[in-house]
Amino acid sequence: EAGVAQSPRYKIIEKRQSVAFWCNPISGHATLYWYQQILGQGPKLLIQFQNNGVVDDSQLPKDRFSAERLKGVDSTLKIQPAKLEDSAVYLCASSPLRDRGLFFGEGSRLTVL
Amino acid sequence: AQSVTQLGSHVSVSEGALVLLRCNYSSSVPPYLFWYVQYPNQGLQLLLKYTSAATLVKGINGFEAEFKKSETSFHLTKPSAHMSDAAEYFCAVSEGSSIQGAQKLVFGQGTRLTINP
Repeated sequence: EAGVAQSPRYKIIEKRQSVAFWCNPISGHATLYWYQQILGQGPKLLIQFQNNGVVDDSQLPKDRFSAERLKGVDSTLKIQPAKLEDSAVYLCASSPLRDRGLFFGEGSRLTVL
Repeated sequence: AQSVTQLGSHVSVSEGALVLLRCNYSSSVPPYLFWYVQYPNQGLQLLLKYTSAATLVKGINGFEAEFKKSETSFHLTKPSAHMSDAAEYFCAVSEGSSIQGAQKLVFGQGTRLTINP
């Protein structure tokens, strides 16, 4: 079974530029999550989708971050404009409905200069 | 809101020694609890999970954890450390109902485990 796929693995941009991350969840997983992991900290939930609807985006900085999950499968997380404090690893995870436990991708490491 | 506290940001043990990583949770409802491991430049991998069945949970790589409601703890142990166990370990508590499928994990700050030869 293929795992959660993320791209790009690494991205370096300057502040005020934009960046987009892509995630392909495990086939059949209804729930998709984007987490932000700042160096030395635990992952923090940014947004949660169930199928193609948003369940929770309370911690998403909506003035600069946006995310979508078209057709309930792939998802894209965008940051525009980026700030220095956005430097982090962005982790995508998915979970099948009625199960407990998330399956994570390898993450996309963002460095903002 | 539910939360998790991991006691000790760094733990160092000798190869072959007991590993003990501490996790305490706060929850107003019966929690679901998880331990994840993260190796450098990789995502998080599920070690084990507690979902209100047996209080002693066995996971992969010889790890286990015991749910103690009276102590609000879910400590992770392994009888004999191996060099390959060196990694970052995260404890997490689940919010939301699995019936709706809208589970959400809240993570602790992590504990970096170092194994000395």
